[in-house]
Amino acid sequence: EPEVTQTPSHQVTQMGQEVILRCVPISNHLYFYWYRQILGQKVEFLVSFYNNEISEKSEIFDDQFSVERPDGSNFTLKIRSTKLEDSAMYFCASSWSGTGDEKLFFGSGTQLSVL
Amino acid sequence: AQTVTQSQPEMSVQEAETVTLSCTYDTSESDYYLFWYKQPPSRQMILVIRQEAYKQQNATENRFSVNFQKAAKSFSLKISDSQLGDAAMYFCAYRSANAGGTSYGKLTFGQGTILTVHP
Repeated sequence: EPEVTQTPSHQVTQMGQEVILRCVPISNHLYFYWYRQILGQKVEFLVSFYNNEISEKSEIFDDQFSVERPDGSNFTLKIRSTKLEDSAMYFCASSWSGTGDEKLFFGSGTQLSVL
Repeated sequence: AQTVTQSQPEMSVQEAETVTLSCTYDTSESDYYLFWYKQPPSRQMILVIRQEAYKQQNATENRFSVNFQKAAKSFSLKISDSQLGDAAMYFCAYRSANAGGTSYGKLTFGQGTILTVHP
């Protein structure tokens, strides 16, 4: 089965630094998403992206966050100035279409630790 | 806003036995989709089974089946003939059917249930 690839698997950074989390969605997918999971809490939706623009974002996704698809294959999440509370597992996901029961393919996540 | 609740933080089962994981949700919508995702130690979220709310028949996928009670807003997962490879975190998730475009990708997750399978 095709896979969504995320790199790195672990990222450690200092508070206030910028981080970029990288994802390679499945090649023919058109819809892309980021989710995150703070330790011991629920998986939370951050943002969805289609046709090179954000389609929807959650309250969590403030001005410190940005996404882009720079080269047609990668999908990145940037956090400009990391805070301690940004420490979480970040999951990328993609899907072919936006129909209701469409299966989302998730990556294995990037564990971000902000010190 | 929709909420999803999994009231069992941890469950355990003997190999070859059956286990049921509970999930309840709250929504004012009549049309929606429900999912169970499995997260093994590899951390990758894997779709186990999905249910469309307007279908009364419970979904099944091999050893996995659901008991969907729309009126009670309950969506439990039954795993039959449990195997060691079933050990994982299981998440129940909700998706609205009324949103358009990429909002279809917006899943609302429960807290998860850790399933341990004993040999």
